[in-house]
Amino acid sequence: EAGVTQFPSHSVIEKGQTVTLRCDPISGHDNLYWYRRVMGKEIKFLLHFVKESKQDESGMPNNRFLAERTGGTYSTLKVQPAELEDSGVYFCASSQAWEGVSEAFFGQGTRLTVV
Amino acid sequence: SQQGEEDPQALSIQEGENATMNCSYKTSINNLQWYRQNSGRGLVHLILIRSNEREKHSGRLRVTLDTSKKSSSLLITASRAADTASYFCATVLANAGGTSYGKLTFGQGTILTVHP
Repeated sequence: EAGVTQFPSHSVIEKGQTVTLRCDPISGHDNLYWYRRVMGKEIKFLLHFVKESKQDESGMPNNRFLAERTGGTYSTLKVQPAELEDSGVYFCASSQAWEGVSEAFFGQGTRLTVV
Repeated sequence: SQQGEEDPQALSIQEGENATMNCSYKTSINNLQWYRQNSGRGLVHLILIRSNEREKHSGRLRVTLDTSKKSSSLLITASRAADTASYFCATVLANAGGTSYGKLTFGQGTILTVHP
């Protein structure tokens, strides 16, 4: 069974440019999460999809970040325009259960560097 | 301080020794999970302990949970060089209704180095 896959693994862009990160969750997982780790800080929650609906987007830093999950399959996270402070590692995770206890499976992450 | 704080921040031991990492949190939880991250790779789920459990084992891993102290510990016995990684605890909060979804709140992690 394929795990959570993220693309690209690395991205270096200039300030002001646009970058789109992609996450393919494990097939059949309704829950999809985006997290981010800015260097030297803890991993922080960005948002949570249940199928194609945004369940919780309380962690999104500002309106330069747009996440979508068309058809409830893969998800994209677009940063437009990128700023220096957006640099970090963006993780995607998926899980099966809605309520109760469920293990989250993480992708390898996308390392974003804004210069 | 943050929900899910680990200590120590860094731990260096010799192969064969035991490694203990601690995690403290601030609010009521549904469950607490431990993850490992090898350098440059994704997070790997190690073990999950529910709020009504006190201890759990998985291979060389032993996790304890003390909800009265809002703390957890991860013990790795007979450590190996391959255990070198960053270890994170993460909590799933319990909402007022007693149910929760999978949003994880992470600590800053403990960097474990096991020397051969």
